[in-house]
Amino acid sequence: GQQVMQIPQYQHVQEGEDFTTYCNSSTTLSNIQWYKQRPGGHPVFLIQLVKSGEVKKQKRLTFQFGEAKKNSSLHITATQTTDVGTYFCAGRDTGFQKLVFGTGTRLLVSP
Amino acid sequence: GAVVSQHPSRVICKSGTSVKIECRSLDFQATTMFWYRQFPKQSLMLMATSNEGSKATYEQGVEKDKFLINHASLTLSTLTVTSAHPEDSSFYICSASLGNFNQPQHFGDGTRLSIL
Repeated sequence: GQQVMQIPQYQHVQEGEDFTTYCNSSTTLSNIQWYKQRPGGHPVFLIQLVKSGEVKKQKRLTFQFGEAKKNSSLHITATQTTDVGTYFCAGRDTGFQKLVFGTGTRLLVSP
Repeated sequence: GAVVSQHPSRVICKSGTSVKIECRSLDFQATTMFWYRQFPKQSLMLMATSNEGSKATYEQGVEKDKFLINHASLTLSTLTVTSAHPEDSSFYICSASLGNFNQPQHFGDGTRLSIL
């Protein structure tokens, strides 16, 4: 079945440093979504990418969808302590309707 | 808009008890809701897709007789963990979306189930 892997599994940065998480799918995706889950909380939708090679920005966050629509990345510039949490990508296979969540990247930011 | 409420937030009960978890879409109608299970520091695993007015679609490896899903209205889906055992302890979370499957998922706050 479809698998969505993320690396790294965990990253600890100092406030102000940049952070990137990479998402790779075993199958071609129709679209990809990104979610953030704070410790003890529920996932919160951040963004959706649909087009091959698409790049979207939200303030310090930059999201990219690969040309082959099998990978994606999230880059945070100048991290803040409020960025702490686990970031999940979630991909929808072209043949199916369900969303498959990536393995997640847990980000810890020290002041 | 697009608020999903899940209740209860925390359940602690004895082995053998059946536990019902409710998922409500507060300000929109959801013909489809999703139930996930999440182990500590792990990803969300889809358990089943709840369809209003019809049977739920279960993912491979999920026992339908163990995890009963009822989606009786456009705003309510329930998950009942029958005869729960310690291995059923987990974080259960539901989601729903506006419109079609390509819309963002809106999640409930989740239910932390602990079976003693």
